[in-house]
Amino acid sequence: QKEVEQNSGPLSVPEGAIASLNCTYSDRVSQSFFWYRQYSGKSPELIMSIYSNGDKEDGRFTAQLNKASQYVSLLIRDSQPSDSATYLCAVSGSARQLTFGSGTQLTVLP
Amino acid sequence: DTEVTQTPKHLVMGMTNKKSLKCEQHMGHRAMYWYKQKAKKPPELMFVYSYEKLSINESVPSRFSPECPNSSLLNLHLHALQPEDSALYLCASSQVQGARYNEQFFGPGTRLTVL
Repeated sequence: QKEVEQNSGPLSVPEGAIASLNCTYSDRVSQSFFWYRQYSGKSPELIMSIYSNGDKEDGRFTAQLNKASQYVSLLIRDSQPSDSATYLCAVSGSARQLTFGSGTQLTVLP
Repeated sequence: DTEVTQTPKHLVMGMTNKKSLKCEQHMGHRAMYWYKQKAKKPPELMFVYSYEKLSINESVPSRFSPECPNSSLLNLHLHALQPEDSALYLCASSQVQGARYNEQFFGPGTRLTVL
């Protein structure tokens, strides 16, 4: 069983729509959750960090965390073609190292 | 400033060559990491340095040899690599290893090709 699972996609949304990216994790003691954006051929870029249950908003991005359900998500509002990338969910669990999901490839269609 | 720099950007080497990858950060971070990333896969942890001491080696073959000369610099020495070692090599840093708020920031990576 994978420790961090993401909907593998690919996910396509029209420009201006909301993109919803989901991630589940197995380590119940996980405390830190991160979303990275990775453009093709580039390195991962940290876009959101969340540590407490609930929502955290930053511009067009909202991260949602539900520790009881072991679930974290990323919503991208008003999606733009420039948001097209692979989104990596990363969780810091009992080992205190980042465990990455396999990533979800998002395409925003003009 | 959340910048981690890596050199070179691209490296092509033969299986008998010796080369080094370099990473630098000036954020005052005390934890530095080497990851390997193959195409369409997530980053895979190789080594962790905490306060300039090697704290984690994820069973990486000895043909990869890390070095942390000081708190800002991290090197990865390469020797007798195999073609399957071709990948994007990523350096990252964070304030401290294992802290709850352990945001890791990645450098741009070195694209390594082994012929």
